Amino acid sequence: AQSVTQLDSQVPVFEEAPVELRCNYSSSVSVYLFWYVQYPNQGLQLLLKYLSGSTLVKGINGFEAEFNKSQTSFHLRKPSVHISDTAEYFCAVSDPGYSSASKIIFGSGTRLSIRP
Amino acid sequence: ETGVTQTPRHLVMGMTNKKSLKCEQHLGHNAMYWYKQSAKKPLELMFVYSLEERVENNSVPSRFSPECPNSSHLFLHLHTLQPEDSALYLCASSQVFNRGADTQYFGPGTRLTVL
Repeated sequence: AQSVTQLDSQVPVFEEAPVELRCNYSSSVSVYLFWYVQYPNQGLQLLLKYLSGSTLVKGINGFEAEFNKSQTSFHLRKPSVHISDTAEYFCAVSDPGYSSASKIIFGSGTRLSIRP
Repeated sequence: ETGVTQTPRHLVMGMTNKKSLKCEQHLGHNAMYWYKQSAKKPLELMFVYSLEERVENNSVPSRFSPECPNSSHLFLHLHTLQPEDSALYLCASSQVFNRGADTQYFGPGTRLTVL
């Protein structure tokens, strides 16, 4: 069975500082990896995803993530955060072999709060 | 309307009431999903419909009953709920193209409170 662990439930950061949100996954098969963001009072939207190829994935709003197979990690980074990045961030994994549609397993989320 | 819409945005109901949540997607997708988001818990996948056929029922209690009359609409019928069912219910859709690689697009959710 697949699972996702987000080690930090909350991460406070000063504005314009760099940030890293950690994600580790567990799976016996190859997986697809995602980061979704949920702004206050909104649904989730995709930040980026890793399917194959280059292990460094660039997403929207200046975020990027690096797939590390040996450490089973997919950490999310941004070199300089803005107040508007305040949101909850979810790491997720899906099974490429799922028979139909897509079945995503989400982590418990990391709440990113930006201090001015 | 664009994207994925959900109505109502807020719902308060008693344990003996019957209500329905509605989701509509305007993206031309052919798969739709219901998730439950409770405080301090990961998103829980409840139901998956692909091409209007239910393909996943994640051990959800029978007091939740989904309905997908066409590829654009998804309902969640609620009856005799419990207070622990209070949560944010999210609907999502995707285009079934590359199985697990497909991006899901989410609605804003319905905040449900069961008294």
